[in-house]
Amino acid sequence: GNSVTQMEGPVTLSEEAFLTINCTYTATGYPSLFWYVQYPGEGLQLLLKATKADDKGSNKGFEATYRKETTSFHLEKGSVQVSDSAVYFCALLRRYGGSQGNLIFGKGTKLSVKP
Amino acid sequence: NAGVTQTPKFQVLKTGQSMTLQCAQDMNHEYMSWYRQDPGMGLRLIHYSVGAGITDQGEVPNGYNVSRSTTEDFPLRLLSAAPSQTSVYFCASSRTAEYEAFFGQGTRLTVV
Repeated sequence: GNSVTQMEGPVTLSEEAFLTINCTYTATGYPSLFWYVQYPGEGLQLLLKATKADDKGSNKGFEATYRKETTSFHLEKGSVQVSDSAVYFCALLRRYGGSQGNLIFGKGTKLSVKP
Repeated sequence: NAGVTQTPKFQVLKTGQSMTLQCAQDMNHEYMSWYRQDPGMGLRLIHYSVGAGITDQGEVPNGYNVSRSTTEDFPLRLLSAAPSQTSVYFCASSRTAEYEAFFGQGTRLTVV
């Protein structure tokens, strides 16, 4: 079946540190991949996406590359800020066949950035 | 610029009570869905709809009903609330099933 595995948190970093949050997936076919971010007390917001192999999604200094050979979509940022403190969710979307349109989420990784 | 609107934001229910969580979107999206978020579990799909008049079950549908009489609205009904339904509920919509989802702000429900 389809599943998403992301690194467990919490992750605590100092401001300006490098961030990597690992995400791997299992899926049949060619899913789209997403990173969503949830700030405290808010809903989920789309951070970035990639729809095919080797696509790189980027937004607000965050990047992730769709790696079909390693079934991965790791999130990276070169220099985190306190305002990046949030919970990050990796997700896949099947575009065809059964369960089309249903997002499959990882369990989330809580990031805390200290000044 | 409302997007996806959920009401209420907070609710406390007694075991056995029923209630409806409201969800409305103003983006003319065909696809709508309900998720619940529990600590350490990520988000799990409860029910979804690919268009007005069409609904289907997700991963954890038991104890919940939905209907989709209009494109804009997708209410979630708890038939007889149980403590296991204490959770944060998110409604989401997307243009079609192939596009990224937009989420509401969530409803925090406590069943005592």
